Amino acid sequence: DAKTTQPNSMESNEEEPVHLPCNHSTISGTDYIHWYRQLPSQGPEYVIHGLTSNVNNRMASLAIAEDRKSSTLILHRATLRDAAVYYCIPSLYNQGGKLIFGQGTELSVKP
Amino acid sequence: EADIYQTPRYLVIGTGKKITLECSQTMGHDKMYWYQQDPGMELHLIHYSYGVNSTEKGDLSSESTVSRIRTEHFPLTLESARPSHTSQYLCASSGSGTVNTEAFFGQGTRLTVV
Repeated sequence: DAKTTQPNSMESNEEEPVHLPCNHSTISGTDYIHWYRQLPSQGPEYVIHGLTSNVNNRMASLAIAEDRKSSTLILHRATLRDAAVYYCIPSLYNQGGKLIFGQGTELSVKP
Repeated sequence: EADIYQTPRYLVIGTGKKITLECSQTMGHDKMYWYQQDPGMELHLIHYSYGVNSTEKGDLSSESTVSRIRTEHFPLTLESARPSHTSQYLCASSGSGTVNTEAFFGQGTRLTVV
């Protein structure tokens, strides 16, 4: 399984964009990059995933570097409800890959 | 709305008792997972199943065992509970392929062994 490096914590102001980085330099060519988040006292929830090209959904955008060794989760306008731990998970998902969570980035959002 | 259910939500039990934590999903997902998480700490994968009759250990060694006799059901059993087993246990499921790979998590079971 590929190793990931994420900042332990980040701060953002409400209604400002947030860029959450993740380094995954040992990622294999067929690993997808998944992002999950865990709100306080809840189980994790899916945010977004991608393979090579950038991806957008209603929650966030995922920017993947051309060499795939890093990616950035973008929250376009942070809200207080976005305060959570964000996990970046490379996984050979379509061929039986497991979801292995690392330490993640704890995002706090200030009003 | 995720259709994955865990019971019980909370369990306080004495040392040495046998316990089974239930996890069921109605989405027809092939993959199911059990995670263990202490307050403020990382989620650790303790069991994983690719499908019926297929289970393997996760990255954290656990004294618990699992079974997958039916697609929708993935129970976790501790033969003899100890205080060190006190933790939160989270079950999840996901589909296969590249499109519907989102994992859904249950509400968790908070286990306390006294």
